[in-house]
Amino acid sequence: DAKTTQPTSMDCAEGRAANLPCNHSTISGNEYVYWYRQIHSQGPQYIIHGLKNNETNEMASLIITEDRKSSTLILPHATLRDTAVYYCIVEDSGYALNFGKGTSLLVTP
Amino acid sequence: KAGVTQTPRYLIKTRGQQVTLSCSPISGHRSVSWYQQTPGQGLQFLFEYFSETQRNKGNFPGRFSGRQFSNSRSEMNVSTLELGDSALYLCASRRTRVTNTEAFFGQGTRLTVV
Repeated sequence: DAKTTQPTSMDCAEGRAANLPCNHSTISGNEYVYWYRQIHSQGPQYIIHGLKNNETNEMASLIITEDRKSSTLILPHATLRDTAVYYCIVEDSGYALNFGKGTSLLVTP
Repeated sequence: KAGVTQTPRYLIKTRGQQVTLSCSPISGHRSVSWYQQTPGQGLQFLFEYFSETQRNKGNFPGRFSGRQFSNSRSEMNVSTLELGDSALYLCASRRTRVTNTEAFFGQGTRLTVV
């Protein structure tokens, strides 16, 4: 199973873009990268996912490098409500999500 | 449309008892997965059901079991509860069992074993 590496924590000023990096150097060619976030004690929330092309939705953008060994989640205008733990996940063939420890993002006023 | 619904939201049980948790997936979703979240171990995969069959299982003892009904609703059961089973139990549903489909989570059931 492809393993991901994320920074333990990050800070971001409200209104600025939050760029959350993720390394997944052992990813296979047909494995997708998923991003979820979890606000304290709530169920994880799906954000975005992609295979090789950059993706954008109403919540965020996902930039995947050409070699697919890393990606960046971008929250374009962070708000206080974006404070959460963000998980970068490469889904295994059994459809189990390996959440790891994620990045704790703190958005400050 | 309604999201993933888990019941009950909170539960307190005594060591040695058993417990059953329920999950109603999003309408039309056929895959249901269960996860356990504890402060020490984080979010861990328990098992996944699709078309009433368990398709994948995480590294948990046999005291943890589950099932899925024909309407895709799922239950998980924990027998002979231990203090260490205290956790947030999360259910996630997917439309189907292929890659490129996102999972949607419920708010979880907080189980406390005393």
